[in-house]
Amino acid sequence: EPEVTQTPSHQVTQMGQEVILRCVPISNHLYFYWYRQILGQKVEFLVSFYNNEISEKSEIFDDQFSVERPDGSNFTLKIRSTKLEDSAMYFCASSPALARGGEQYFGPGTRLTVT
Amino acid sequence: RKEVEQDPGPFNVPEGATVAFNCTYSNSASQSFFWYRQDCRKEPKLLMSVYSSGNEDGRFTAQLNRASQYISLLIRDSKLSDSATYLCVVAKVLNYQLIWGAGTKLIIKP
Repeated sequence: EPEVTQTPSHQVTQMGQEVILRCVPISNHLYFYWYRQILGQKVEFLVSFYNNEISEKSEIFDDQFSVERPDGSNFTLKIRSTKLEDSAMYFCASSPALARGGEQYFGPGTRLTVT
Repeated sequence: RKEVEQDPGPFNVPEGATVAFNCTYSNSASQSFFWYRQDCRKEPKLLMSVYSSGNEDGRFTAQLNRASQYISLLIRDSKLSDSATYLCVVAKVLNYQLIWGAGTKLIIKP
């Protein structure tokens, strides 16, 4: 069964550094998403991506964040100048079509720890 | 009022029992509704979509009440493996941005 993969599983970085989180969505999916979940809190939407551009972003997704689909398979989230409060689990998800946009398939997540 | 509200629980339920929980949403124009399940420190996984007519998948039944703006999830003959956090998810009308509830924690006890 196809699945979303994410690397690394755990990233530790120092405050102020840049990190890139990587995701490989399911191959025939068209819509891609990033979410974060701070430990013990709810899942928070960051951004959705379709046809090589951002289709929607939340208030959390400010200039510190950027996304890219550098090739036909990878989907990345870059966080510039990380802050302590960026420590969270970051999930990538993909969906086959907008009509089924709520049916999203999540990767296992990257745990980001900012020290 | 929060966009999506759930009772955080935990619901402590004996194995084999039936358990139900609700989720309320604030935007009456919301079109799509889903239940996801999340195990501790794992990714959310789609459990079922919620259709207007209600739908059933094995031991799980989901209902939508548009008039009162809530959705429900019923689990019959609960198993130990049903222990998880159940997340109510509502899609915004136009762009399918998902709004997530904080989840209801369910603990099934032997």
